[in-house]
Amino acid sequence: NAGVMQNPRHLVRRRGQEARLRCSPMKGHSHVYWYRQLPEEGLKFMVYLQKENIIDESGMPKERFSAEFPKEGPSILRIQQVVRGDSAAYFCASTTPRRLPGGYTFGSGTRLTVV
Amino acid sequence: AQKVTQAQTEISVVEKEDVTLDCVYETRDTTYYLFWYKQPPSGELVFLIRRNSFDEQNEISGRYSWNFQKSTSSFNFTITASQVVDSAVYFCAPSGAGSYQLTFGKGTKLSVIP
Repeated sequence: NAGVMQNPRHLVRRRGQEARLRCSPMKGHSHVYWYRQLPEEGLKFMVYLQKENIIDESGMPKERFSAEFPKEGPSILRIQQVVRGDSAAYFCASTTPRRLPGGYTFGSGTRLTVV
Repeated sequence: AQKVTQAQTEISVVEKEDVTLDCVYETRDTTYYLFWYKQPPSGELVFLIRRNSFDEQNEISGRYSWNFQKSTSSFNFTITASQVVDSAVYFCAPSGAGSYQLTFGKGTKLSVIP
């Protein structure tokens, strides 16, 4: 039973390019959460999605960032026109609807470097 | 909303010493959860413990123990007989009972020197 799978592990983008980060939840999980970890910082909540539905995107920057979790396939965190300040580690977690709030397992993260 | 303070930014200990990592939190929720996660140099996040606010019993798991003091809003983590493999950044994170969000502290970087 594979855990939460994130890919790629490392992603390098030039300023102005687009970054697409993928998260495959654990089998049977329909809820996905994205967190961002800036250098030397703790993780900050970004967005909570259920299949085909954004539940809470209060932590998402207002521009250039979007997230989706389609009926089929992984959840995607998309960053358009990346800037150096987007360099961070992006973590995904998943749960079933019955899982205790906050009691989730994280993927290994995607480390985005903007050059 | 929760707030968490991990006052120790970095700690260095010699192998086999005991070490305590402090965590002080603020919350307006009457029921909440407290978590500790470990982030080794490889970067992944490893879940260590989840504690309910209504359960104040201390917990021990091998060399790890947690001291929950609701009166002082602290949830400290002790590693006994530390090992080099314990070197990591440790995060404390509260969560409201009705919330799906974790609020992470800035972490404490622990270095265990052989």
